[in-house]
Amino acid sequence: AQSVTQPDIHITVSEGASLELRCNYSYGATPYLFWYVQSPGQGLQLLLKYFSGDTLVQGIKGFEAEFKRSQSSFNLRKPSVHWSDAAEYFCAVGLSASGTYKYIFGTGTRLKVLA
Amino acid sequence: DTGVSQNPRHKITKRGQNVTFRCDPISEHNRLYWYRQTLGQGPEFLTYFQNEAQLEKSRLLSDRFSAERPKGSFSTLEIQRTEQGDSAMYLCASSQGTNQPQHFGDGTRLSIL
Repeated sequence: AQSVTQPDIHITVSEGASLELRCNYSYGATPYLFWYVQSPGQGLQLLLKYFSGDTLVQGIKGFEAEFKRSQSSFNLRKPSVHWSDAAEYFCAVGLSASGTYKYIFGTGTRLKVLA
Repeated sequence: DTGVSQNPRHKITKRGQNVTFRCDPISEHNRLYWYRQTLGQGPEFLTYFQNEAQLEKSRLLSDRFSAERPKGSFSTLEIQRTEQGDSAMYLCASSQGTNQPQHFGDGTRLSIL
């Protein structure tokens, strides 16, 4: 069955420190992978996407993610975190074989940034 | 690009009442999705429209739920005889084409008293 696992429910980092949020997926077909960010009471904003090609993808707000097929992972990174990055982050896989391209989301990682 | 618009933003109702939410997708997007998000969880897929055709419904969508997309433009999600377990954020998303990401609205938060 398709699934997305975000093993870290909460992460706390100091402002200026580097960040890595983990995401593992289980999907037999070609994965379309996404990272979204959600601020409290708001919808989801797309940070970056992977469809094919270069396995290191750049996104908005200085985020990047690396697709590793051998590890079924798509970890999100940022070299220097800003206080405004505090939010909840969701990894998702788009089901390309279903025809609908619906998403399966992980349970999210809540990021707290210390001043 | 005005983004995906959802109304209302918040809805408080008594158990047993009917509620209806509206989603206006990005104008050129032919694909429209509804998701439900409960506290501490990621969004879960409910249903999908391509133009006006509803092509998939999740098992989460009980008989009390119905969704429409007349004329392939805006969509409505109706919940009849609401229950406590229906309390959640209902998110709408739209996309254009098979390899384009979904754009989400800010959601409608439903609270059942």
